[in-house]
Amino acid sequence: SQQGEEDPQALSIQEGENATMNCSYKTSINNLQWYRQNSGRGLVHLILIRSNEREKHSGRLRVTLDTSKKSSSLLITASRAADTASYFCATDDSGGSYIPTFGRGTSLIVHP
Amino acid sequence: DSGVTQTPKHLITATGQRVTLRCSPRSGDLSVYWYQQSLDQGLQFLIQYYNGEERAKGNILERFSAQQFPDLHSELNLSSLELGDSALYFCASSPPPGGTYNEQFFGPGTRLTVL
Repeated sequence: SQQGEEDPQALSIQEGENATMNCSYKTSINNLQWYRQNSGRGLVHLILIRSNEREKHSGRLRVTLDTSKKSSSLLITASRAADTASYFCATDDSGGSYIPTFGRGTSLIVHP
Repeated sequence: DSGVTQTPKHLITATGQRVTLRCSPRSGDLSVYWYQQSLDQGLQFLIQYYNGEERAKGNILERFSAQQFPDLHSELNLSSLELGDSALYFCASSPPPGGTYNEQFFGPGTRLTVL
């Protein structure tokens, strides 16, 4: 089964800076989702972008999707210490399983 | 708070034992998913139930089983436990019809430690 792979594995920035995380996947998808996980807690859904969409915004989050390159990026603008978490992309198989497959995540640390 | 509840929060047991993890989905959600998260394997999909029926199976070991009851709560049974089964186990639910636009709502997880 396909899997999204996030890059970088870890990212350390200062408060106020922007954070960009990338996700690459292998086969055609229906949609791509980004989730956030605080240490040891459950995942929280951030944003879903459909395969026919190219960009989506939600507050300080901006997600882009390039289906020709099979990649997506998550941009967090004006980061805050509270954004410190792991971020995962999840893709589902356009072949019909609709089961999201998660990558290993990007660990983001925002220093105050 | 996602609305998904999981019990217990922590579970410590010995190798060879059997445990049951419980999940209650959000009100109105018919789909329940189980995931295992460990440091070396990341977040692995185990199994999905939809309205009481098994819908999809992932990397679930034969020692593991699950079911979804008429009230839609679900249980994950882990037997003949091994050290490598130590992990965080998450339950997630999603609204019907469980199709393409399947945002999932995750519970807080059960941390299983096998000694």
